[in-house]
Amino acid sequence: GENVEQHPSTLSVQEGDSAVIKCTYSDSASNYFPWYKQELGKRPQLIIDIRSNVGEKKDQRIAVTLNKTAKHFSLHITETQPEDSAVYFCAASIGNFNKFYFGSGTKLNVKP
Amino acid sequence: GAVVSQHPSWVICKSGTSVKIECRSLDFQATTMFWYRQFPKQSLMLMATSNEGSKATYEQGVEKDKFLINHASLTLSTLTVTSAHPEDSSFYICSASGTPNSEQYFGPGTRLTVT
Repeated sequence: GENVEQHPSTLSVQEGDSAVIKCTYSDSASNYFPWYKQELGKRPQLIIDIRSNVGEKKDQRIAVTLNKTAKHFSLHITETQPEDSAVYFCAASIGNFNKFYFGSGTKLNVKP
Repeated sequence: GAVVSQHPSWVICKSGTSVKIECRSLDFQATTMFWYRQFPKQSLMLMATSNEGSKATYEQGVEKDKFLINHASLTLSTLTVTSAHPEDSSFYICSASGTPNSEQYFGPGTRLTVT
């Protein structure tokens, strides 16, 4: 099956700085890459996603880039705020099976 | 957005008993539901994929006789942990999707503790 690796496992930034989280995947058939934010004890919430026919997508302070050749994708958060503190998971989905394989997660801490 | 509920939110059971967890899509028809297991401070591990009216597809290493999944309707899937043991204690989260290769909507999770 698909193997998704995520780095770093923890990330601490000062409020206002940018944060970047990187993921790699193994299966070239993967074509959908969502990013989820999970606050402690709560359900994961989709924050942004990208499909394999697109190289970059942006939504306000959040952007995702995808490099199909290198099989990696990244989440970029600009102007970080304390409420951005949470665990972020990347995932990859193969074809039409819609099965998500998640990365190991990144705990982001935004210091005020 | 779409809403997915889970019941119960937490359950404590004795070793050897069985526990059923329900996952419901409240405002959309979920052609596919997924069951994940999440250990503290770890990622979501996909256990099985459930399509309405057909048998669930289990990921490698997941015992299908231990984790029984039923997807009886387009809005309900159940996970039954049979003959539970302390090592089955975990956070179980379901998700639902209406269309292939699209967002999965997650339930709030069920914390299972087996004593």
